[in-house]
Amino acid sequence: EAGVTQFPSHSVIEKGQTVTLRCDPISGHDNLYWYRRVMGKEIKFLLHFVKESKQDESGMPNNRFLAERTGGTYSTLKVQPAELEDSGVYFCASSQGLAGTDTQYFGPGTRLTVL
Amino acid sequence: LAKTTQPISMDSYEGQEVNITCSHNNIATNDYITWYQQFPSQGPRFIIQGYKTKVTNEVASLFIPADRKSSTLSLPRVSLSDTAVYYCLVGDTFYSSASKIIFGSGTRLSIRP
Repeated sequence: EAGVTQFPSHSVIEKGQTVTLRCDPISGHDNLYWYRRVMGKEIKFLLHFVKESKQDESGMPNNRFLAERTGGTYSTLKVQPAELEDSGVYFCASSQGLAGTDTQYFGPGTRLTVL
Repeated sequence: LAKTTQPISMDSYEGQEVNITCSHNNIATNDYITWYQQFPSQGPRFIIQGYKTKVTNEVASLFIPADRKSSTLSLPRVSLSDTAVYYCLVGDTFYSSASKIIFGSGTRLSIRP
């Protein structure tokens, strides 16, 4: 079974540009999460989809970040315009959403560098 | 969500047993204890989860005392490849079907030859 995949693995852009990150969850997983780690900090939650609906977007830093999950399959996270402080590693995770033991499976992350 | 406290770093040698203890004094009745492992340049990976007493799988054991205010992740006979950051997480996955993970700083485990 394929795991969570993320594209691209690395992205280097200039301040003010737009970047779109993609996450393909494990097939059949209704729950999809975005997290990020900025340099020297802990991994922080950004938002949570259940199928195509945003269940919790309390971690989104500001309106420059837009996440979508059309059709409830893959998700995209767009940063527009990118700022220097957006640099970090963006992780995606998915889970089945089973009460009692909901394990989240993480992708390898996308390393974003904003110059 | 209950806050967890774990050592910032630990060192050990190949072949040794490593025990990482996590404190979670405010753990709630519905909370499970979960440990994740993260290698450099990779996403966190689920290792083990438990509610009380002892849980064992092919990777590790998890010991939880009766008061559940702490837990210990035990890695038997570690190798160099066990060098990673280990996160102790506490949250309600019993009644809620899915929820965000709140990561702490984790424990950076370094294994030496």
